[in-house]
Amino acid sequence: KAGVTQTPRYLIKTRGQQVTLSCSPISGHRSVSWYQQTPGQGLQFLFEYFSETQRNKGNFPGRFSGRQFSNSRSEMNVSTLELGDSALYLCASSARAVNTEAFFGQGTRLTVV
Amino acid sequence: DAKTTQPTSMDCAEGRAANLPCNHSTISGNEYVYWYRQIHSQGPQYIIHGLKNNETNEMASLIITEDRKSSTLILPHATLRDTAVYYCIVRNQTGANNLFFGTGTRLTVIP
Repeated sequence: KAGVTQTPRYLIKTRGQQVTLSCSPISGHRSVSWYQQTPGQGLQFLFEYFSETQRNKGNFPGRFSGRQFSNSRSEMNVSTLELGDSALYLCASSARAVNTEAFFGQGTRLTVV
Repeated sequence: DAKTTQPTSMDCAEGRAANLPCNHSTISGNEYVYWYRQIHSQGPQYIIHGLKNNETNEMASLIITEDRKSSTLILPHATLRDTAVYYCIVRNQTGANNLFFGTGTRLTVIP
């Protein structure tokens, strides 16, 4: 079956703009998590959604938000982009509600100029 | 979730076994040990997980000490494609699906 699909793969935005990233989980998976990866901070958890509800949130400012749709697809939005938001944004899907292996997408590489 | 400690980097000769250690001395009874790896510019990939018994799958073996304070991931016959950063993560069984990645071990397989 198809894996986790993230779109777009690459994105260049200007400071102050906003951006929306999309993630389609593996069919049947209801949990979607988002991560930010930068050379300085490594892989950091952003938030997790399960059945359209945000269950957990990492330590990121309110400019970072997300949502999940009834078909489990998820989007994350970053408003008022800063240079430091340049990163690889990864989405992971999991089958069950708790503590199960996560399957990651290839990520979206965001560059803010 | 318990904190883990891994060596920053390791080398392994191609065809030999790669043994990647992880210390998790504060692990509690209901926490599992998970291993993921990330090949350059790709998303992390699940490898294996276990509670207290040794586990083996088609990718690797996981050896957990009897006191559960440390574990070793074994890649039995390392290939160049196994060059990656390997992350050891300890997770509460009742926790949500968010993962806390540390710095991991950068494994380089040498021809």
